[in-house]
Amino acid sequence: NAGVTQTPKFRILKIGQSMTLQCTQDMNHNYMYWYRQDPGMGLKLIYYSVGAGITDKGEVPNGYNVSRSTTEDFPLRLELAAPSQTSVYFCASSYDRANEKLFFGSGTQLSVL
Amino acid sequence: DAKTTQPNSMESNEEEPVHLPCNHSTISGTDYIHWYRQLPSQGPEYVIHGLTSNVNNRMASLAIAEDRKSSTLILHRATLRDAAVYYCILRDKYNFNKFYFGSGTKLNVKP
Repeated sequence: NAGVTQTPKFRILKIGQSMTLQCTQDMNHNYMYWYRQDPGMGLKLIYYSVGAGITDKGEVPNGYNVSRSTTEDFPLRLELAAPSQTSVYFCASSYDRANEKLFFGSGTQLSVL
Repeated sequence: DAKTTQPNSMESNEEEPVHLPCNHSTISGTDYIHWYRQLPSQGPEYVIHGLTSNVNNRMASLAIAEDRKSSTLILHRATLRDAAVYYCILRDKYNFNKFYFGSGTKLNVKP
């Protein structure tokens, strides 16, 4: 059972570079989320999706873009990387009810230098 | 968005019960109370959730106050593997896509 898979696990970017963080889930969940976690802090919601073709902003969307062309995949795009985007990024998915639990990936540690 | 308040840190001895409190005074009638924990260098993992009644599972128990303005996560016998950051969050039944993790409670378990 793969669950939620994130790639890569680690990445170093130079300022101004772009990259895509990949997230895929094999549980047929409609709902998917991207969070970032800065050192010693809680998680902040970047974007979420309620199904293929439907995405919406979370708490800290600036500097990021998402797309959802399939149920399984929810990539996060960083354009013009900045040092402030140095963080650990977590993707999560869930069934479409408030009493359902979230399943998290193992995270991508990103450093922008 | 409904907010939760938790102590920054707590300490427990191994094999003893731990009671982790969470205040959510602005909770609405349709908010579910969820608890997650995050072990070092890992993604958060689900612990337990409830709406009004107390809940038990193999990991923990959740005690919800009668007015629902607070709840307590109970680890019956803490082990060293329970050392983690514990997050209490609320998910609204009708708007459950936007929910936020606070800073959580860092639990230290002493041998």
